[in-house]
This record gives sequence, structure tokens and C-alpha cells, in this order.
Amino acid sequence: GQQLNQSPQSMFIQEGEDVSMNCTSSSIFNTWLWYKQDPGEGPVLLIALYKAGELTSNGRLTAQFGITRKDSFLNISASIPSDVGIYFCAGLQGAQKLVFGQGTRLTINP
Amino acid sequence: GAVVSQHPSWVICKSGTSVKIECRSLDFQATTMFWYRQFPKQSLMLMATSNEGSKATYEQGVEKDKFLINHASLTLSTLTVTSAHPEDSSFYICSASEVGIYEQYFGPGTRLTVT
Repeated sequence: GQQLNQSPQSMFIQEGEDVSMNCTSSSIFNTWLWYKQDPGEGPVLLIALYKAGELTSNGRLTAQFGITRKDSFLNISASIPSDVGIYFCAGLQGAQKLVFGQGTRLTINP
Repeated sequence: GAVVSQHPSWVICKSGTSVKIECRSLDFQATTMFWYRQFPKQSLMLMATSNEGSKATYEQGVEKDKFLINHASLTLSTLTVTSAHPEDSSFYICSASEVGIYEQYFGPGTRLTVT
């Protein structure tokens, strides 16, 4: 099935560093979502974006919905150990179907 | 609020047997439930969408006779993997949404290992 292109696939950073990851698609999505998944758990919604160009923050997280509606990025500032996990972007297709990116695995060295 | 549970959290079964996974919405009525499969180090792939009281809609390439989905109430959906084989070993995650709301609330997942 269709997937979003998410990069990078993995990141190894030092605690306190900022993180940036992005997603692109050949298709337009009207809603972009960013999730975090801890090992052995289901994804948890971090940020939802509804309008092209929208910039939304949630604490140390900031996400933007691209103007073309074909891309989005997520930034995490001043990373802390609990930020470790896998981050997924997702586009909402139709009324309810989610299409997920391949994920970005974040590892933080204390 | 918006809690989704899954049972069991992990299961090991022998090849050829069937296994049932439950997905429950604990504090809301889930008119729609979704079943995903996630292989190690891969993304979530939607298997099927089920609306309460209706037959599930399966994604292309997902065998409906192998993965039986029942959504008989507004708080419970079940996925039965019939005649399981080792290649069915995976992490199965359900999600649920309320009527008219796009947001999906995910369960904690069920790890299935078929030996």
C-alpha cells in the first residue's frame, strides 16, 4: 500500500540536542499527524496538523504542514532521555484511513 | 479518557492453530475500529477497517478468510488469525475512533509468535 517517505530512518544524538525529521508524499493529504511509539506499545498522537502552512507546537515539539500539503516536518528541541522511541508521520486519507511513514528511530546518548 | 486495551498482550501458538485477539474501547463508544500489523523495525500497515454491526473492509492483499474480524458491539472488536503460520508472527495493533471523529486511539498491541 501507499506509504509516506520519512527521513532519516534513524538518529543518534546527544542529550540536549535538537532533532528534526520530515515526511514527504507524492499525494496530497488534508491532515498530517505525528505519532511516537515506545517499544512494545501502540503509537501515541503528538501533534495534528490541519491546514497547509500550519505551524503547531506541543511543548518542545514543533511540527509544520507543508504549503503543498505533500510534506511535513517535526522538530524536537533540547532532547531528553524520554524522547527515545520511534516517530511516525501519518497522512489522513479520506475520512479515517491513516497512511504511515516508515518511522524515525531516535536514540539519545546521555 | 480515550483508552483502548488489547488482550492478550502477547501470545505464542503452534502452527495450524487459531488465535483470537480482543480490542476494547474502555471509556468511549468506538463506531469504527482498525487493525494494523507491524513487522519488526517496520511501519504500521492497515489490515482492515470495521464498523460496528457491519462486515469489515479489508485492505488489498489481506486475506479475509484468514484474518476474521468481528465488531459486534461499540466497545469490542476481535481479530482471529486462523490456521496461523510462522509468517503470521507480528505485532498486531488495533485502534478505535468515535462517530464523526477522525482521531484514532491506539491499543498497546499484541505480539503474536507462531512456532
